[in-house]
Amino acid sequence: SQKIEQNSEALNIQEGKTATLTCNYTNYSPAYLQWYRQDPGRGPVFLLLIRENEKEKRKERLKVTFDTTLKQSLFHITASQPADSATYLCAPKSGYQKVTFGIGTKLQVIP
Amino acid sequence: NAGVTQTPKFQVLKTGQSMTLQCAQDMNHEYMSWYRQDPGMGLRLIHYSVGAGITDQGEVPNGYNVSRSTTEDFPLRLLSAAPSQTSVYFCASSYSAGQPLHFGNGTRLTVT
Repeated sequence: SQKIEQNSEALNIQEGKTATLTCNYTNYSPAYLQWYRQDPGRGPVFLLLIRENEKEKRKERLKVTFDTTLKQSLFHITASQPADSATYLCAPKSGYQKVTFGIGTKLQVIP
Repeated sequence: NAGVTQTPKFQVLKTGQSMTLQCAQDMNHEYMSWYRQDPGMGLRLIHYSVGAGITDQGEVPNGYNVSRSTTEDFPLRLLSAAPSQTSVYFCASSYSAGQPLHFGNGTRLTVT
């Protein structure tokens, strides 16, 4: 069956460092993959979308890579700030009309 | 623009009661969907709609009904609530299927 794996443990990082979050998927080949941010008590907010023919996508301090051979996407936040603390969800497009979400990785940026 | 609006924010039901979770969007999005989020399980798709009058089942549809009579509204009905339906429910919409989703802020439902 299709499976999405994100680090279920929290990631703690010092302010100013680069945070790297991992998303691995198995048993399917998504045409694209999305990343969302979720704050406590709020709905997820879309951040970036990367297509299978794109190796890398950037938006301000955010960078996403997509390796279809490794079946992996990496999400980087450079010069991390305490305001970046949140849970980050990856969401490969799993089939026609459906987007499937990983359980998310909780990022804590320590001042 | 209000975006995606969900009501109520919190609800407590007794087993066997019925209720409707409301979802409305003002972005003229064709695609709307319902997810539930449980600890350790992530977001799971319940039902979705690609336009008014069209609905389909997601990953976990049992115990839930939906209808889509207008583009703006996509209510989720629990016909006979069970404790297993205790969860946080999110409504999401997008311009079309597969496009980035806009989420509401959720309804926290507890079934006792």
